[in-house]
Amino acid sequence: SAVISQKPSRDICQRGTSLTIQCQVDSQVTMMFWYRQQPGQSLTLIATANQGSEATYESGFVIDKFPISRPNLTFSTLTVSNMSPEDSSIYLCSAWERQGNTIYFGEGSWLTVV
Amino acid sequence: GEDVEQSLFLSVREGDSSVINCTYTDSSSTYLYWYKQEPGAGLQLLTYIFSNMDMKQDQRLTVLLNKKDKHLSLRIADTQTGDSAIYFCAENYNFNKFYFGSGTKLNVKP
Repeated sequence: SAVISQKPSRDICQRGTSLTIQCQVDSQVTMMFWYRQQPGQSLTLIATANQGSEATYESGFVIDKFPISRPNLTFSTLTVSNMSPEDSSIYLCSAWERQGNTIYFGEGSWLTVV
Repeated sequence: GEDVEQSLFLSVREGDSSVINCTYTDSSSTYLYWYKQEPGAGLQLLTYIFSNMDMKQDQRLTVLLNKKDKHLSLRIADTQTGDSAIYFCAENYNFNKFYFGSGTKLNVKP
């Protein structure tokens, strides 16, 4: 199974600033995704990170607010731009392996915007 | 595939069995999953079941799938306090789309 590391694990951010979350997978994976989990809620898919091209965003999420990079098969970043308190959430990186058709998650990045 | 439903809370005594239920909507889902989220942590894959199976057992965990009723359950035998967590079921739709339930918070009382 893929092991996924995210950083930062936690941060307190000022309103109006931006923060970039890094995600590293210990093996090459077919697909990488970014999810958001708001307090007490389930997971919502933000976007699919595509290697070498623009991410594919889900309804309600846009590139200007959540720019994503994926320069290779093991690494991706998510930036949360111009943060407001409503962006306080856990942001989870995940990787999908075709073999076994299983999705694995990082430990999450817990962001609090003040 | 977007309406995956779970009850929000379950409370059991240590040593009892826990049964967490989930209903899903997409009959074409090929895989169904159970994830565990402990406080302050990410999601840990517990187990998954292929849609052509009706049961899977893995140590203390038993997954039952009723495809006709689109009902999935997770039974934890001999529940321990360390099993206290939020449990999410998820269905795999269109190979790379996963839809998650709202999560069931399991509280195990000593």
